[in-house]
Amino acid sequence: NAGVTQTPKFQVLKTGQSMTLQCAQDMNHNSMYWYRQDPGMGLRLIYYSASEGTTDKGEVPNGYNVSRLNKREFSLRLESAAPSQTSVYFCASSRSSGENNEQFFGPGTRLTVL
Amino acid sequence: QKEVEQDPGPLSVPEGAIVSLNCTYSNSAFQYFMWYRQYSRKGPELLMYTYSSGNKEDGRFTAQVDKSSKYISLFIRDSQPSDSATYLCAMRGTGRRALTFGSGTRLQVQP
Repeated sequence: NAGVTQTPKFQVLKTGQSMTLQCAQDMNHNSMYWYRQDPGMGLRLIYYSASEGTTDKGEVPNGYNVSRLNKREFSLRLESAAPSQTSVYFCASSRSSGENNEQFFGPGTRLTVL
Repeated sequence: QKEVEQDPGPLSVPEGAIVSLNCTYSNSAFQYFMWYRQYSRKGPELLMYTYSSGNKEDGRFTAQVDKSSKYISLFIRDSQPSDSATYLCAMRGTGRRALTFGSGTRLQVQP
């Protein structure tokens, strides 16, 4: 099992460009998440999908959109990138809500917006 | 004020030392508490998962939760250079899926 995979690993964008970050999990998990990690801020939730067909905003959703393509895949789109979106982006998945909600993380995508 | 506070460090200790890492929080609804380890340029990996108050031990790691003080701790016994990483605390309330993270403490174990 690969767990949670993310592509690309690195990306440099110019202000105003768009891109989609891809995430896939092979653990048959129902819930998936997108976080961003900035120095001194910890991880902050951007969007999450409790189950296939549903998405909800997290703490910092502005400037992002998401698509839960199927049970395995959850993508994050930046329509018009801004320098403030320079960050490391992590995708995570968990089996469900409830008591056993351990979240497993992917390796991250390092994004720089110039 | 952040919901979860964590000293960023760095915390530098000699090999074999006992390490104590801590987080405080303000939201009394938090019921589930986790510690993640994150090596440089890698994703966080789950170390410990506890529900409500009490202690949990796993090998060299012990997690403690004191809900009355809104304080959680991770102890690492016989620390090794391979323990050098950033340690993130995380927590959530019942019925919530989203985690609230501390900002992480960077630990360096000197050989």
